[in-house]
Amino acid sequence: QVQLQESGPGLVKPSETLSLTCTVSGGSSTRSSYSWGWIRQPPGKGLEWIGTLFDSGSTNYNPSLKSRVNISVDTPKNEFSLKLTSVTAADTAVYYCARLSSKSVVGWFGELLAEYFDYWGQGTLVTVSS
Amino acid sequence: DIQMTQSPSSLSASVGDRVTITCRTSQSIYSYLNWYQQKPGKAPKLLIYAASSLESGVPSKYSGSGSGTDFTLTISSLQPEDSATYYCQQGYDTPWTFGQGTKVEIE
Repeated sequence: QVQLQESGPGLVKPSETLSLTCTVSGGSSTRSSYSWGWIRQPPGKGLEWIGTLFDSGSTNYNPSLKSRVNISVDTPKNEFSLKLTSVTAADTAVYYCARLSSKSVVGWFGELLAEYFDYWGQGTLVTVSS
Repeated sequence: DIQMTQSPSSLSASVGDRVTITCRTSQSIYSYLNWYQQKPGKAPKLLIYAASSLESGVPSKYSGSGSGTDFTLTISSLQPEDSATYYCQQGYDTPWTFGQGTKVEIE
């Protein structure tokens, strides 16, 4: 059973850097041919995709956060990390890490490569406040 | 960005009812549409990918349909454990975006 676990400070001061780590265990590892992502959810609100680290090593970030975000992997430790700089109160949210799987699907439309988040961490609340 | 609009925002239904949630996108996303269920205080759980493919281990009472810009998630027979918020998510173009959610409650 694949498990993901977020860790990091629950309180970050405005203008500082939010740093979170996601540890992967239980049959999947960051060495495998999977991609990994971060998603966040402000209290009482919906989900926002932050970015994805693909198995190729490339990254793709939400343009709304791109100038402040970095996602990296530490393969020996089976971890991947999120750094978000210059945080403000608007960055207060529950942050989730997740595994991105892909599968070729054939239908009336032909063939497509579906990508979806199939395993998620439990989430960690990060509050930005002085 | 591709805008996602779910309707209704919330609904209340009885045990055994058939429930349908709609997700409309601002442009065609073919069948690059996923559905997630989120219970309070928990992480989202994948239900459906590629608009109509049921994720392994998910009960067959959940089904998805649609293509282009209009999609639906159907729960064939609502049970108390289905009380949750449901989100659609497009995987066609980045930034990947989610619908605002549909809260399903049991009467």
